[in-house]
Amino acid sequence: ILNVEQSPQSLHVQEGDSTNFTCSFPSSNFYALHWYRWETAKSPEALFVMTLNGDEKKKGRISATLNTKEGYSYLYIKGSQPEDSATYLCASNSGYALNFGKGTSLLVTP
Amino acid sequence: DTAVSQTPKYLVTQMGNDKSIKCEQNLGHDTMYWYKQDSKKFLKIMFSYNNKELIINETVPNRFSPKSPDKAHLNLHINSLELGDSAVYFCASSQQGVGGYTFGSGTRLTVV
Repeated sequence: ILNVEQSPQSLHVQEGDSTNFTCSFPSSNFYALHWYRWETAKSPEALFVMTLNGDEKKKGRISATLNTKEGYSYLYIKGSQPEDSATYLCASNSGYALNFGKGTSLLVTP
Repeated sequence: DTAVSQTPKYLVTQMGNDKSIKCEQNLGHDTMYWYKQDSKKFLKIMFSYNNKELIINETVPNRFSPKSPDKAHLNLHINSLELGDSAVYFCASSQQGVGGYTFGSGTRLTVV
């Protein structure tokens, strides 16, 4: 099973700040890299699925980049809002299912 | 309208009992999964199943068994429940090779 690491473990920012998180994964046998947003008491929701080296995806104020050769992905949030508070999960395909990192817990305060 | 639905949402049971958690998806996906969320909120894959193949994470005790009557359902049976089985279990589905996973709302299992 692939080992997916995320940092930081938690992050506390003020409303309006921009922030970013890191996901690292083994670059061998890479298939796809996923990002999920997980709010408390809800289920994880897919943000991005990325497959190509150099890929960059954007959804509103959230964007992600992918480097498959060195095995890392960044998630960026521009102008954080309180509603962005959630745990952000990164996952890499292990061959038969996604292997998740432990997530970065983001708290945005007004 | 629920895409992936799990029942029950909460399950409290005694040690040694046998229980099942049901999962249904109406997305037409060909692959379904069971994940266990541990005490640190870490999601660990238990099973992956499509209409061709069941793949089991070798660390899962054989007291856990998935049953799929059709491609829209993947139920989780647990025999001889133990205290350590207490966790939140998430069902998910995807179209193999395409797109992200859609998760159910989770089943909180408490073994007393």
